[in-house]
Amino acid sequence: DAGVTQSPTHLIKTRGQQVTLRCSPISGHKSVSWYQQVLGQGPQFIFQYYEKEERGRGNFPDRFSARQFPNYSSELNVNALLLGDSALYLCAGGGTGGSDTQYFGPGTRLTVL
Amino acid sequence: SQQGEEDPQALSIQEGENATMNCSYKTSINNLQWYRQNSGRGLVHLILIRSNEREKHSGRLRVTLDTSKKSSSLLITASRAADTASYFCATDVGGNNRLAFGKGNQVVVIP
Repeated sequence: DAGVTQSPTHLIKTRGQQVTLRCSPISGHKSVSWYQQVLGQGPQFIFQYYEKEERGRGNFPDRFSARQFPNYSSELNVNALLLGDSALYLCAGGGTGGSDTQYFGPGTRLTVL
Repeated sequence: SQQGEEDPQALSIQEGENATMNCSYKTSINNLQWYRQNSGRGLVHLILIRSNEREKHSGRLRVTLDTSKKSSSLLITASRAADTASYFCATDVGGNNRLAFGKGNQVVVIP
């Protein structure tokens, strides 16, 4: 089976622009979570979706939004980009949305200029 | 906010030596997980220890959990150059996999 995939790998945007990041979990996995990792820090939880429903949201502004599709893939949208949004965005998939092993994708490196 | 805090932040050891990292957290947890990250890429799940467990092994990895002290340790035995990476602990408070990560330990294994 393919692992968790994310696209694009790298992205460069300017302040004020909008960006959409994509994630596909492992086949059969219904839960997707998004994390932001700023350079030199640990990942910070942004969103969790399970069966297309938002299950949890971290301490991020409304400029961040996400959704999950019927095939369990997910998109993370960030509007009105700020320099501080520059980070590695990680997607993690799991089976149940409970305390099971999380499988992380390779991440999308977003640079905001 | 960061739940886990690892100590030490950076570790440099010779190949074959053991590496020990500690993690402390503030609130009660359902489980604690350790991850490895190579060169700013995706995270690889290493081991999960539940709040009612005290020790767990996986290959060359040994994890302990002391819920009374709200701390965990990760031991890598007989380290290899390929173990060079950043190691993060992450706590799951509600058993829902909304993980709170520490700042990470950078481990360098010198061949």
